[in-house]
Amino acid sequence: SQKIEQNSEALNIQEGKTATLTCNYTNYSPAYLQWYRQDPGRGPVFLLLIRENEKEKRKERLKVTFDTTLKQSLFHITASQPADSATYLCALTSYSGGGADGLTFGKGTHLIIQP
Amino acid sequence: NAGVTQTPKFQVLKTGQSMTLQCAQDMNHEYMSWYRQDPGMGLRLIHYSVGAGITDQGEVPNGYNVSRSTTEDFPLRLLSAAPSQTSVYFCASSRTGTISNQPQHFGDGTRLSIL
Repeated sequence: SQKIEQNSEALNIQEGKTATLTCNYTNYSPAYLQWYRQDPGRGPVFLLLIRENEKEKRKERLKVTFDTTLKQSLFHITASQPADSATYLCALTSYSGGGADGLTFGKGTHLIIQP
Repeated sequence: NAGVTQTPKFQVLKTGQSMTLQCAQDMNHEYMSWYRQDPGMGLRLIHYSVGAGITDQGEVPNGYNVSRSTTEDFPLRLLSAAPSQTSVYFCASSRTGTISNQPQHFGDGTRLSIL
């Protein structure tokens, strides 16, 4: 079955350092991969989308890589700030029958940026 | 724009009661979906709709009904609440049903407890 794995342990990073989060998947051949941020008591917020033929995508301090050979995406936050503390989710399109139905999400990695 | 609005934010039900969770979006999005989020499980797709009058089942549809009579609204009905349905419910929308390359816009959720 299709599976997405993210580090279930919280990730503690010192302010100013680069935080790197990992998303591994199995039994998928995705064309796209998405990353979301979720704060306590709020819904997920879309951050970045990367296509299979894009090795890397950047948005301000965020960078995402996508290695379809390793079946892995890495999510980097450079110059991290305490305000970056949140849970980060990766997501792939799930399919059943003939068409895409929704996104399958990883369980998320809780990132804590220490001042 | 308000985006995706979910009501109520919190609800407590007794086993066997029925209720409707409301979801409305003001972005003229074609695609809408419902997810539930449980600790340690991540987000799981319940039902989705690719347009008014069209609905389909996701990964965990049992015990839930949906309808899509307008583009804006996508209510989720619990027919006979069970304690296993205690969860946080999120509604999401995107511009089209080609969701693999579409950011999903989420509401802030309904926190539902079934006693």
